[in-house]
Amino acid sequence: EIVLTQSPGTLSLSPGERATLSCRASQSISGTYLAWYQQTPGQAPRLLIYGASSRASGIPDRFSGSGSGTDFTLTISRLEPGDFAVYFCQQYGTSPITFGQGTRLEI
Amino acid sequence: QVHLVQSGAEVKKPGASVKVSCKASGYSFNNYGMHWVRQAPGQRPEWMGWINADNGYVKYSEKLYARVSLTRDISATTGYMELSSLRSEDTAVYYCARGSNTGWLRYWLDPWGQGTLVTVSS
Repeated sequence: EIVLTQSPGTLSLSPGERATLSCRASQSISGTYLAWYQQTPGQAPRLLIYGASSRASGIPDRFSGSGSGTDFTLTISRLEPGDFAVYFCQQYGTSPITFGQGTRLEI
Repeated sequence: QVHLVQSGAEVKKPGASVKVSCKASGYSFNNYGMHWVRQAPGQRPEWMGWINADNGYVKYSEKLYARVSLTRDISATTGYMELSSLRSEDTAVYYCARGSNTGWLRYWLDPWGQGTLVTVSS
């Protein structure tokens, strides 16, 4: 199965700063079938990005995704208080579907 | 608005079974599929399986295929996940999420249910 490794494990930043989160796959992800989700405590995961770079409905353009093959990046420009959460990546191109271990974005 | 609402928390003894429901609203239920994902404390999410809500075709993860069963009730627009022979390692939050009905791959999961905590303890 494809193992997704996210880095860093924890990222400490301040509101207004830029966050760069990495997701590396153990083998190439076919078709850029890579998504990013945001999870806040006690809440359901929320889809941010699909197809590696397409923003989901209602997601502000401060969130952007990039990458292909084995290396993917989620960038959040101009952090807002509500952005401090856990972010995890997911590949859905090869069975079984797998997830990264998450990056915690904290103030 | 698309919503998935799951049943409440469960406490089960080892060896028992648990059945979690996921009520869908705001979309044509049988035009999509439904995934189930679980997340144990401090662990990454784990994909459990997928069901085509139209014809009931299922795909299970290799790790859980012997113990998990996914079903759906089209008239009730509800999906169900049953996990048998529970053990302490099955303690986790269980989520349903909407996917495609053309297959378990090549389509993202959106939205997700609010999650159901299943605790397995003697």
